[in-house]
Amino acid sequence: DGGITQSPKYLFRKEGQNVTLSCEQNLNHDAMYWYRQDPGQGLRLIYYSQIVNDFQKGDIAEGYSVSREKKESFPLTVTSAQKNPTAFYLCASSSSTGSYEQYFGPGTRLTVT
Amino acid sequence: RKEVEQDPGPFNVPEGATVAFNCTYSNSASQSFFWYRQDCRKEPKLLMSVYSSGNEDGRFTAQLNRASQYISLLIRDSKLSDSATYLCVVNRMNNFNKFYFGSGTKLNVKP
Repeated sequence: DGGITQSPKYLFRKEGQNVTLSCEQNLNHDAMYWYRQDPGQGLRLIYYSQIVNDFQKGDIAEGYSVSREKKESFPLTVTSAQKNPTAFYLCASSSSTGSYEQYFGPGTRLTVT
Repeated sequence: RKEVEQDPGPFNVPEGATVAFNCTYSNSASQSFFWYRQDCRKEPKLLMSVYSSGNEDGRFTAQLNRASQYISLLIRDSKLSDSATYLCVVNRMNNFNKFYFGSGTKLNVKP
């Protein structure tokens, strides 16, 4: 079954700690994205990557970092510099050709106390 | 002005009703259009792409009006299971395949 996996589903951390969220896809998509969703709000773009070893800041990149060493993987690190890290984090991917539809992983719900 | 605007609702309708959602987008260079469904505390899931000629999938019909920069979703014969938030999404290929999301319209279908 092709799809996007994110782990873990729930994550709890103490303030001041960095945390890395995993995202893997086997859809052979070139483009991958990280979004953040706060309660009752829309999705906001954190980082995106069009190809391996290249990524760009989205609208709210401060306090986050990413890497894209493999086509299948796009991990997101939430650093201690992120002021309000508690949120629902969604990873997505899309093809660069054809229908351009975007597909999402199940998300990671991060709580920082 | 937001890239994509939707009425947040909620729309409270009885089972069997027909309900319509509208969405406007600000950039005429937008190229692809989609409706996603998001259940509470879950990821968005693609409901349907929206084509210029309009398209239908069972009880769902999507329309696009490029001149007015307007997208619609019609749900006929609403089911309890249709209760969710519906996201309007547009895509624009500049130097990258970037997606712009509306904040969503919440639908509650009541028995």
